[in-house]
Amino acid sequence: EAGVVQSPRYKIIEKKQPVAFWCNPISGHNTLYWYRQNLGQGPELLIRYENEEAVDDSQLPKDRFSAERLKGVDSTLKIQPAELGDSAVYLCASSPRQGSIWGTEAFFGQGTRLTVV
Amino acid sequence: ELKVEQNPLFLSMQEGKNYTIYCNYSTTSDRLYWYRQDPGKSLESLFVLLSNGAVKQEGRLMASLDTKARLSTLHITAAVHDLSATYFCAVVGDKIIFGKGTRLHILP
Repeated sequence: EAGVVQSPRYKIIEKKQPVAFWCNPISGHNTLYWYRQNLGQGPELLIRYENEEAVDDSQLPKDRFSAERLKGVDSTLKIQPAELGDSAVYLCASSPRQGSIWGTEAFFGQGTRLTVV
Repeated sequence: ELKVEQNPLFLSMQEGKNYTIYCNYSTTSDRLYWYRQDPGKSLESLFVLLSNGAVKQEGRLMASLDTKARLSTLHITAAVHDLSATYFCAVVGDKIIFGKGTRLHILP
């Protein structure tokens, strides 16, 4: 079974340029997360989707970041315009259901390493 | 607001030794995950702890959860070089919050 697939793996852009990341979660997983991981830090949640609904976007910098999950499957995360401080690894994760009594953990993709110069 | 603290943040140890990584959290939760991350790689799930007193073991790693103390431990027995990585705990509140990670370096 394929895991969480992200693309691209690496991206280098100049500041003020737009950038987009794509995520294909594990088939059947209703919950999708976007995390940002700065160097030497733990992942920080940006947004969580339950199907196509963004149920927690409190940590998403909405002035420049946007996300969508049309049809409740694939998701894209966009930054426009990018700033130097946005350099980080952007991780996508999915899980069957946030509130599941089985407490399944989130499965992570390989991430997109963004460098803003 | 849920806060998660891991310690130590850095640990260098000799092969064959035992050590424990601690994960403290600030509010009530009965679900906690441990992940491993190798340099430049994504996070690999190690353990899912779902209730007070839960203990899980895989090879040289053993994780436990004490929800009353709001503490989880990851114990390493007779460390080997292959266990060198960064280990994260993640606690489930109204969202999943990660600790800053413990960078473990095991010297051959």
